[in-house]
Amino acid sequence: DGGITQSPKYLFRKEGQNVTLSCEQNLNHDAMYWYRQDPGQGLRLIYYSQIVNDFQKGDIAEGYSVSREKKESFPLTVTSAQKNPTAFYLCASSMREFNNEQFFGPGTRLTVL
Amino acid sequence: ELKVEQNPLFLSMQEGKNYTIYCNYSTTSDRLYWYRQDPGKSLESLFVLLSNGAVKQEGRLMASLDTKARLSTLHITAAVHDLSATYFCAVDRLGGQNFVFGPGTRLSVLP
Repeated sequence: DGGITQSPKYLFRKEGQNVTLSCEQNLNHDAMYWYRQDPGQGLRLIYYSQIVNDFQKGDIAEGYSVSREKKESFPLTVTSAQKNPTAFYLCASSMREFNNEQFFGPGTRLTVL
Repeated sequence: ELKVEQNPLFLSMQEGKNYTIYCNYSTTSDRLYWYRQDPGKSLESLFVLLSNGAVKQEGRLMASLDTKARLSTLHITAAVHDLSATYFCAVDRLGGQNFVFGPGTRLSVLP
């Protein structure tokens, strides 16, 4: 089955800790994205990557970092510099050469204790 | 800067009724996407609209795009409870690098 997986589903972090959220896709998509969603709100773009070893900041990149060492994987690290990290994090991927429709993973819910 | 608005933000409707959700955006784009989100879940793709005048239909939902007016509509026909969800539109930034999402329309269909 082709799709996008995210892990863990739930994550609890103490203040001052860095945590890494996993995102893997087997759709052979070139582009991958990370979004943050706060309760009752829309999605805001954190980072995106169009090809391996390249990524760009989105609208709210401060306090986050990413890497894209493999086409299938786009992990997101939430650093201690992110002052309000409690949110629902969604990873997506797309085939830009086709219609750029983004497909989403199931999400990771991060809570800071 | 591309901004995307939706209205209404909240919609409560009776089963069997028709209604339209509007999505308008501020700068030129010819690609627009509609998604559905159930509470606590991820986003599910509904429609991809790729040109002016595009119309797509699936079941009780129909989406259209007017790029000259920078407006898309999501029309609901004879609503049923299963359509209760939050609906997002997303617009492709010029150049197709990424999307800007609207704030979402929370739809509640009452029996």
